[in-house]
Amino acid sequence: GNSVTQMEGPVTLSEEAFLTINCTYTATGYPSLFWYVQYPGEGLQLLLKATKADDKGSNKGFEATYRKETTSFHLEKGSVQVSDSAVYFCALLYYGGSQGNLIFGKGTKLSVKP
Amino acid sequence: EAGVAQSPRYKIIEKRQSVAFWCNPISGHATLYWYQQILGQGPKLLIQFQNNGVVDDSQLPKDRFSAERLKGVDSTLKIQPAKLEDSAVYLCASSLDRLAGRGTQYFGPGTRLLVL
Repeated sequence: GNSVTQMEGPVTLSEEAFLTINCTYTATGYPSLFWYVQYPGEGLQLLLKATKADDKGSNKGFEATYRKETTSFHLEKGSVQVSDSAVYFCALLYYGGSQGNLIFGKGTKLSVKP
Repeated sequence: EAGVAQSPRYKIIEKRQSVAFWCNPISGHATLYWYQQILGQGPKLLIQFQNNGVVDDSQLPKDRFSAERLKGVDSTLKIQPAKLEDSAVYLCASSLDRLAGRGTQYFGPGTRLLVL
């Protein structure tokens, strides 16, 4: 079946450190891939997306590349800030019949210390 | 552009009581979704509407949960009677796509439900 596996948190980093959050997926066909972020007390916000192999999504200094050969979509940021503290969700959108379905990973909590 | 609106933001009820949540999607978005997010987990789809028709409700516990989207705009999700395990955040999302579920989904702030 279709599934998403994320590295378990929490991840604690110092400000300006390099961030990687690993995400791998299992899917039939050619899914689209997403990273969503959830700040404390808020709903999910789309951070970035990629719709086909080798696409790179980027936003707010975050990047992720759709790697079909390794079925991965790892999230990276070169220099994190305290304001990046949140829970990050990797998700895939697969198409079954006439509709699409979004499958989420369990989320990775990031805490950035000043 | 206004985002997805949800109310209430928080609700505390006792088990066996009923509760209803309301969602107003982004204007013009044809597809509306309800998700359940249990603490420490990713959101799980409960039901998906395309305009005012149900596209997928395979994961909706129909013995206690119901949802409707009258006139293809706003939607309500109801739980009756509630159980302790229904404590979660209920998220509403919408997408523009003409074919259900094929577009980027935009989420509301969620309703945090606590069942005592």
